[in-house]
Amino acid sequence: SAVISQKPSRDICQRGTSLTIQCQVDSQVTMMFWYRQQPGQSLTLIATANQGSEATYESGFVIDKFPISRPNLTFSTLTVSNMSPEDSSIYLCSVEGPLRGDYGYTFGSGTRLTVV
Amino acid sequence: QKEVEQDPGPLSVPEGAIVSLNCTYSNSAFQYFMWYRQYSRKGPELLMYTYSSGNKEDGRFTAQVDKSSKYISLFIRDSQPSDSATYLCAMTDTGGFKTIFGAGTRLFVKA
Repeated sequence: SAVISQKPSRDICQRGTSLTIQCQVDSQVTMMFWYRQQPGQSLTLIATANQGSEATYESGFVIDKFPISRPNLTFSTLTVSNMSPEDSSIYLCSVEGPLRGDYGYTFGSGTRLTVV
Repeated sequence: QKEVEQDPGPLSVPEGAIVSLNCTYSNSAFQYFMWYRQYSRKGPELLMYTYSSGNKEDGRFTAQVDKSSKYISLFIRDSQPSDSATYLCAMTDTGGFKTIFGAGTRLFVKA
């Protein structure tokens, strides 16, 4: 199964600033996914990142607020721009399985973002 | 109404108990059903995957899917303190285009 390294693991940021989260996978993958996990709420897909093309954003998420880069098949970044306290959340990158031959996703450890 | 409903808990049980975790859903197009375990300050990790209806067992864990009732369950036998975590259900539609996660149930197993 893939191993995902995500950094930073946590950060406290001032409102109005931007934070870039990095995700490194130990194998080449076609698609990488970025999720947001807010307290008490389900994981919400922000966007899907394919190498060599623009990311595909889900309803409610826009490129200006969450620009994504995917320069190669093992790396992606998510930037949270012009942050407000409402952006405080855990951000997770993931790749598709298989894991132990099963369908599903492998996740990084997440970035815990607090905006003050 | 959310597409996937999951009781957030917390659920507190003594060590050795049988734990039952459940999710209901509304979209009949869901065909792939998963359970993830998430420890504090970690990302979710896949525990069980089931396609369509039926049961699947893996060690102390059993996943059940009842598509007629739109209801899935995860049973943990002989629960251990190390099972203390948040458990998220997830399901994907037939074409694999959409995966929806439940909000997670927090489980505490007391030694």
